[in-house]
Amino acid sequence: DAKTTQPNSMESNEEEPVHLPCNHSTISGTDYIHWYRQLPSQGPEYVIHGLTSNVNNRMASLAIAEDRKSSTLILHRATLRDAAVYYCIRDTGTASKLTFGTGTRLQVTL
Amino acid sequence: ETGVTQSPTHLIKTRGQQVTLRCSSQSGHNTVSWYQQALGQGPQFIFQYYREEENGRGNFPPRFSGLQFPNYSSELNVNALELDDSALYLCASSREPNDEQYFGPGTRLTVT
Repeated sequence: DAKTTQPNSMESNEEEPVHLPCNHSTISGTDYIHWYRQLPSQGPEYVIHGLTSNVNNRMASLAIAEDRKSSTLILHRATLRDAAVYYCIRDTGTASKLTFGTGTRLQVTL
Repeated sequence: ETGVTQSPTHLIKTRGQQVTLRCSSQSGHNTVSWYQQALGQGPQFIFQYYREEENGRGNFPPRFSGLQFPNYSSELNVNALELDDSALYLCASSREPNDEQYFGPGTRLTVT
């Protein structure tokens, strides 16, 4: 079972940090954690991925728990353009098959 | 780099008909994956092609088939359309099968 668990929705004020949680309690040692987001009327967009260590890129940071059963996507300063559905995905490495759940719908307000 | 493009943007078909959706991958990307996204749901993996060969398939019946061409274009074909096939169809390209995927904007298919 490659499922992850995320809250259905979250709200944030603009310019504030956002922490999007994801549970993946059945993760195996070689599964990567990927985050994609989907803006309205667009295809999903890659955000970040990691295996064990925390990861940073220009879009976000990914904090992975020491036991790897959960992770958190961190947007350091949310903007209105960050309003999207955020998907946390376990990549089991099977031909890059990404198993999307229903994701977290992030609303950003002024 | 040019992005991933898909055509057409929207399409309306009748139950029982056949449809072909097209995708143009980014140059240099040897891998293309197709997904189906029903309204309010996350994308579901249909299949992946790598160097013109099928490289993995999700839980979709054989009437969903695909082709990948050497010029970085690909097709998704669906035969005997059913009402439940109404969805947004997304293609995503990547350099190699396990690299990050770049998605196109999708084709919205409506089956009546």
